[in-house]
Amino acid sequence: DSGVTQTPKHLITATGQRVTLRCSPRSGDLSVYWYQQSLDQGLQFLIQYYNGEERAKGNILERFSAQQFPDLHSELNLSSLELGDSALYFCASSVAGTWRETQYFGPGTRLLVL
Amino acid sequence: QQPVQSPQAVILREGEDAVINCSSSKALYSVHWYRQKHGEAPVFLMILLKGGEQKGHEKISASFNEKKQQSSLYLTASQLSYSGTYFCAVNNNAGNMLTFGGGTRLMVKP
Repeated sequence: DSGVTQTPKHLITATGQRVTLRCSPRSGDLSVYWYQQSLDQGLQFLIQYYNGEERAKGNILERFSAQQFPDLHSELNLSSLELGDSALYFCASSVAGTWRETQYFGPGTRLLVL
Repeated sequence: QQPVQSPQAVILREGEDAVINCSSSKALYSVHWYRQKHGEAPVFLMILLKGGEQKGHEKISASFNEKKQQSSLYLTASQLSYSGTYFCAVNNNAGNMLTFGGGTRLMVKP
């Protein structure tokens, strides 16, 4: 158990809908990362937050957005969902969000868009 | 650009050794190794930093060749629990973004 929690564990929804995924980092970690893992694209970095501020952006679609709240939990919002958005979404956390640190991954949210 | 891992898959008998390689086309600041079992979270194994520092699992070792922009993960005396997909993830600049390789599937048989 990495100490990173994610809810929900599974999510089934329809195309065009909007969902919110939630992540709580390990105690003491200020930085949160979001990753998408699909069969054809592998593990892809989406976005990073540090202490409430966006710090780095990867291949995140405009339909997706995220934020980190004052209590350091983070939410990833996915809207106008398409079949291709079906994937495992992981959150990871680290202490200060630098390249020198280990990122610890949560258990993931499996999203299925029908 | 995604780092290239080799081999893509390997099958071992318990007790055998394996080496997994990770190669980047860009300079490396850090290399992170993870193991993932199907449907589960990637689990941290090792981190190797530019300059030589490394931290990680006591039963797994790794090397980092900054000049060749490569890293290798050494699995010795493999156990059944070592089965899974191994990923290297690299940081190619002083930023915070990790780029993951395509993974190496390892199966250890009794």
